[in-house]
Amino acid sequence: ETGVTQTPRHLVMGMTNKKSLKCEQHLGHNAMYWYKQSAKKPLELMFVYSLEERVENNSVPSRFSPECPNSSHLFLHLHTLQPEDSALYLCASSQGLNSNQPQHFGDGTRLSIL
Amino acid sequence: GENVEQHPSTLSVQEGDSAVIKCTYSDSASNYFPWYKQELGKGPQLIIDIRSNVGEKKDQRIAVTLNKTAKHFSLHITETQPEDSAVYFCAAGDNFNKFYFGSGTKLNVKP
Repeated sequence: ETGVTQTPRHLVMGMTNKKSLKCEQHLGHNAMYWYKQSAKKPLELMFVYSLEERVENNSVPSRFSPECPNSSHLFLHLHTLQPEDSALYLCASSQGLNSNQPQHFGDGTRLSIL
Repeated sequence: GENVEQHPSTLSVQEGDSAVIKCTYSDSASNYFPWYKQELGKGPQLIIDIRSNVGEKKDQRIAVTLNKTAKHFSLHITETQPEDSAVYFCAAGDNFNKFYFGSGTKLNVKP
């Protein structure tokens, strides 16, 4: 069982659709993250959750809505997306929000907006 | 906020040669510096990290050095192999475990 699992691996959706990305971690960690990875750009932090509480919202448009029902699961709900939202969305987890904690990544969801 | 710059953006080496990737950061409060390897179709995988109270760390063919005064850190891969070909990212972490990533280096090891 891999440490951080993301589903689906690929998603194609129209601009008016509503879909959700799912992340599950099996590492017993307390913090979870959503990142956006676009070509030729550094990873962009979107949201941070610690013990199911959102602690960071990095100026992300409201068409992205995160949900963390428990410390093992993280969702990203998508609605009315734009073509520029096409990217690889990565989930990560860490033991906590103290410094010096490595973040462990899933393999991502490749999102394409038509 | 923190700004991490990474160079070069692409690096091509012959199998068996060494590869060096360099990063600089701007915030002296950053205290944790992980390196990630990302293969095609995969997420970033942690390969080595270093904390601010250490100047150098080695793990088999991989080593990382940190110069806090100059605010730069480097990844060194010796005896490169074709399976080392991937994109490598550096990052700087703050006290709240927020990571700031470099823009990546695509390493190509030619057999």
